Amino acid sequence: GENVEQHPSTLSVQEGDSAVIKCTYSDSASNYFPWYKQELGKGPQLIIDIRSNVGEKKDQRIAVTLNKTAKHFSLHITETQPEDSAVYFCAAFSGGFKTIFGAGTRLFVKA
Amino acid sequence: EADIYQTPRYLVIGTGKKITLECSQTMGHDKMYWYQQDPGMELHLIHYSYGVNSTEKGDLSSESTVSRIRTEHFPLTLESARPSHTSQYLCASSESGTGDNEQFFGPGTRLTVL
Repeated sequence: GENVEQHPSTLSVQEGDSAVIKCTYSDSASNYFPWYKQELGKGPQLIIDIRSNVGEKKDQRIAVTLNKTAKHFSLHITETQPEDSAVYFCAAFSGGFKTIFGAGTRLFVKA
Repeated sequence: EADIYQTPRYLVIGTGKKITLECSQTMGHDKMYWYQQDPGMELHLIHYSYGVNSTEKGDLSSESTVSRIRTEHFPLTLESARPSHTSQYLCASSESGTGDNEQFFGPGTRLTVL
């Protein structure tokens, strides 16, 4: 069946450094790729998304890139801050109801 | 802040009890979902609904049941709780008819069955 692989499962960076999380999807019909951030005690929240007709999207310190040929997409966080510490999920959607989530990356930003 | 609510936030209950986890959204979304989140973070879809009177089972087999009598309300029920049901339960909703499927999540219910 369809799946989304996410790496790494844990990532520790120094404050001010960049963090990169990578995902690979299997369903070539996927056309929408959201990224969610889950802070402790809360539900996941959308932080950025990209559609299949776009290769890159940026929002302040956060950027997402998509390579449809390779079925890869990545989240880039620059100038990391302690408040970026959270669990991040990538996901892929190909229509209907079902969004396939990656297994999550726990990001630690050390002050 | 998403307008989707879950109650209770925390629940500790004994084996064999019947429980209902509440989920409500005020956004008028047709699609609603229940996920089980294990300590390893992964989200497992256990139920979903396209709209009123529509409910389907998700990928992860669950002994829970759901109902969708009103658009805004999607409760989850466990008839007889067991320790294996201990987990975090997340409710979400999304809008139909758009090209994407941004999901809005509630804060979750952390269930502990003793």
